[in-house]
Parts: sequence; structure tokens; C-alpha cells
Amino acid sequence: DTGVSQDPRHKITKRGQNVTFRCDPISEHNRLYWYRQTLGQGPEFLTYFQNEAQLEKSRLLSDRFSAERPKGSFSTLEIQRTEQGDSAMYLCASSPGTGFHEQYFGPGTRLTVT
Amino acid sequence: QKEVEQNSGPLSVPEGAIASLNCTYSDRVSQSFFWYRQYSGKSPELIMSIYSNGDKEDGRFTAQLNKASQYVSLLIRDSQPSDSATYLCAVTSSGGSYIPTFGRGTSLIVHP
Repeated sequence: DTGVSQDPRHKITKRGQNVTFRCDPISEHNRLYWYRQTLGQGPEFLTYFQNEAQLEKSRLLSDRFSAERPKGSFSTLEIQRTEQGDSAMYLCASSPGTGFHEQYFGPGTRLTVT
Repeated sequence: QKEVEQNSGPLSVPEGAIASLNCTYSDRVSQSFFWYRQYSGKSPELIMSIYSNGDKEDGRFTAQLNKASQYVSLLIRDSQPSDSATYLCAVTSSGGSYIPTFGRGTSLIVHP
């Protein structure tokens, strides 16, 4: 088990372009969470999945953001029509979903919108 | 609005000393408490979890929870320069989603 992986690790894009990030959770974990983190702040919750079902979305998540988790395995987060304010570290975390609820983070994708 | 408060620091301690990091939370029904370490430019790494009042020790780390005071702390004994990082406190309430609220983190600097 290699832990949570994310791809790409870095993304530079121009304002108005669409970007998509991928997250592969720890294989036996059925819960997957997306967060956004900016400098000097803690991670902010965006959305989470239990298996393939998206169960909750933050009010921070505008309609330009969409996430999927087909077949309950990997997940993608897409940002359409990127804005400079979207520049941040996008973090994915997974959790077993039973018993205790520790979350394990991937390395993150750093997005820079120019 | 659930809030988790941490002193942003930096907290500076000499090598070998005990570093004490504190966190308060607003939601009285919070159930799960976590400490993450985050090095600059890296993602958070889980170092401790605690669920019931009292102390929990793991190596050089001790987490302390006082639900009556809505307070959780992390002690790092024999601090090393490699412990220099930002420490994030995360608190989860009941309700099924177990979505944690994170504090802004406390920057710890351990100087030789």
C-alpha cells in the first residue's frame, strides 16, 4: 500500500482554462475528501464521497467546481473557467469510514492560475 | 459556525525542550480530535488522534484532551530541529460525515 496519491503535483494554467485533478485513495478506504488550502490557513473542506456517492459539498464550492468518484475508486476534481482566486493547494484525503476516523492526506496538487 | 482556534506562533523552543501546542474548539459535541504536522510546501501528516478525555502518549508525542474546557493540546518531548513545522489541530463532530474543521496551525521552530 503506497498511500494516497494525487496527480499532477503541480499545475500552472491561464485564467479561464479548465483543469482536472486526480486522487487515488488508499485501496481499502471507502471515504474520500477534497480540501483546498491557501498560505497560512488550515485545509478547507470542499466535498466528500462515501464509495461512489457524493454525500456533502461545502458552500464554498461554486458551480465551477465538480467532483466525481466513479466506481468508488479514484476521484477527480474539475475546476472550470479558472480564476486567480483558485490558486491554492488542493488536497485529497481518504479514511476507512468505519471505526475511528483518521484521514490520510495525499501530497496535494498545487494550482497556480496566471 | 464551528471554530477551531490555534495560536499561529511562531513558537520557538530550544532543542531538547518540551514544546506545548494548544487548540480550543467551539462545538461542544465534538468527538474526534487530531493533530497533523505539515512541513512547508508539503501536505498534512497525521501524528496523533484522541477521542476521550485524558492523555494519550505515542513516543515523544502526548495529546491531552479536556472536553469540559473544550481544549486539546499536543506536547512534544525532547524537541528536535526536525520537529520544526506547522502543527494543525482538527476537530470532528458527530453526525456521520466526520468532516473535520481545521485550525490555522501553529508554527513551531526548534533551534539547536
